[in-house]
Amino acid sequence: DAKTTQPPSMDCAEGRAANLPCNHSTISGNEYVYWYRQIHSQGPQYIIHGLKNNETNEMASLIITEDRKSSTLILPHATLRDTAVYYCIVRVSGTYKYIFGTGTRLKVLA
Amino acid sequence: SQTIHQWPATLVQPVGSPLSLECTVEGTSNPNLYWYRQAAGRGLQLLFYSVGIGQISSEVPQNLSASRPQDRQFILSSKKLLLSDSGFYLCAWSVNRGETQYFGPGTRLLVL
Repeated sequence: DAKTTQPPSMDCAEGRAANLPCNHSTISGNEYVYWYRQIHSQGPQYIIHGLKNNETNEMASLIITEDRKSSTLILPHATLRDTAVYYCIVRVSGTYKYIFGTGTRLKVLA
Repeated sequence: SQTIHQWPATLVQPVGSPLSLECTVEGTSNPNLYWYRQAAGRGLQLLFYSVGIGQISSEVPQNLSASRPQDRQFILSSKKLLLSDSGFYLCAWSVNRGETQYFGPGTRLLVL
């Protein structure tokens, strides 16, 4: 499975967009990009996933580059409750195995 | 809608004591179930995976075992805890093997 690389930490002002990058340069054609977040002492929460096309839901947008070697999770209007560790994961289609890294610790500042 | 429960929420156990953590899922049938462990400041490590009653796959050889006595119940056990078993244990479920996994609230285990 492809490995992912994320910055260890980021700050974002409340009300501004938070853009969280992820590199997955060894991703294969059938590997999906998933994003989860984990608020302190809670289980990871699913945010969004995609294969090739950009995706948007009520929580966030996922932008995947054309070569699929990197992606960006966008929280359009960050709030204090978005402070969490954000994990970017790749998973082979049809398999159960997620490989979690150490993620990006996002701090939203008032 | 589907919900996943784990208990206890926190547990402090002495070294050498047994362990039983329980996970149950509501609102779905025949889910795929998973046990993960998260050490402090680290990512999640998959421990066990189950596609059905009595069917368990182990990902990492260790001091722990898992069982699935009922369709929506997944249990993590140990006969004798080690200090290194301390961590945050998470249960997750998915509809099928290749689908999105949804995590429970977790159990924080401290072995002293």
